[in-house]
Amino acid sequence: EIVMTQSPATLSVFPGERASLSCRASQSISTNLAWYQQKPGQAPRLLISDASTRVAGLPARFSGSGSGTEFTLTISSLQSEDFAVYYCQHYHNSLTFGGGTKVEIK
Amino acid sequence: QVQLVQSGAEGKKPGASVKVSCKASGYPFTDYYMHWVRQAPGQGLEWMGWINTHTGVTLSAQPFQGRLTMTRDTSISTAYMDLSSLKSDDTAMYYCAVADRGYIYGWFHYWGQGTLVTVSS
Repeated sequence: EIVMTQSPATLSVFPGERASLSCRASQSISTNLAWYQQKPGQAPRLLISDASTRVAGLPARFSGSGSGTEFTLTISSLQSEDFAVYYCQHYHNSLTFGGGTKVEIK
Repeated sequence: QVQLVQSGAEGKKPGASVKVSCKASGYPFTDYYMHWVRQAPGQGLEWMGWINTHTGVTLSAQPFQGRLTMTRDTSISTAYMDLSSLKSDDTAMYYCAVADRGYIYGWFHYWGQGTLVTVSS
């Protein structure tokens, strides 16, 4: 089983600042990676697929990068609505989620 | 538009079974695999398994093998998740989600609203 490790577990950021979230795979997954945002009481919301493809309508401040085993979700200037938990998920011949990164207001 | 509507919350005793439904609309039901994902209170997302909605073939993640049964009724575009021998740590929100691309594994653009299953004596 491919293990997905997200870091940090919690990221404290001022509004307007840049946030970088990391996701590491235990073996190469090419670019078979998605990112989700989840707010309390809601189902996860897809943000990015294939490591860097934004879903339609997603603000440009969200970007994904990486391939192989190292991936990053970057939010260039955090808005109030961006404070949430973010998960990565691989879909390389199977499927697992990372443990999540909570982005909180500093 | 694509919608996945799940059945309502359930309260069960340890050792019982629970069956959750997921009614799909807005897309050809049998063209896409349906997956189940759960989330314990305050915890992360845990993938449970998938069903090929065309053939009925299923695959369960290892922690659920032997306890998880996934079925579908194509006549009403509905998938079902049946989890048996419930324990207190099965208390969670259970989601259905459609795998994009038409492949077995992909990203999940569409999710059900979730069904809370509470296991308590």
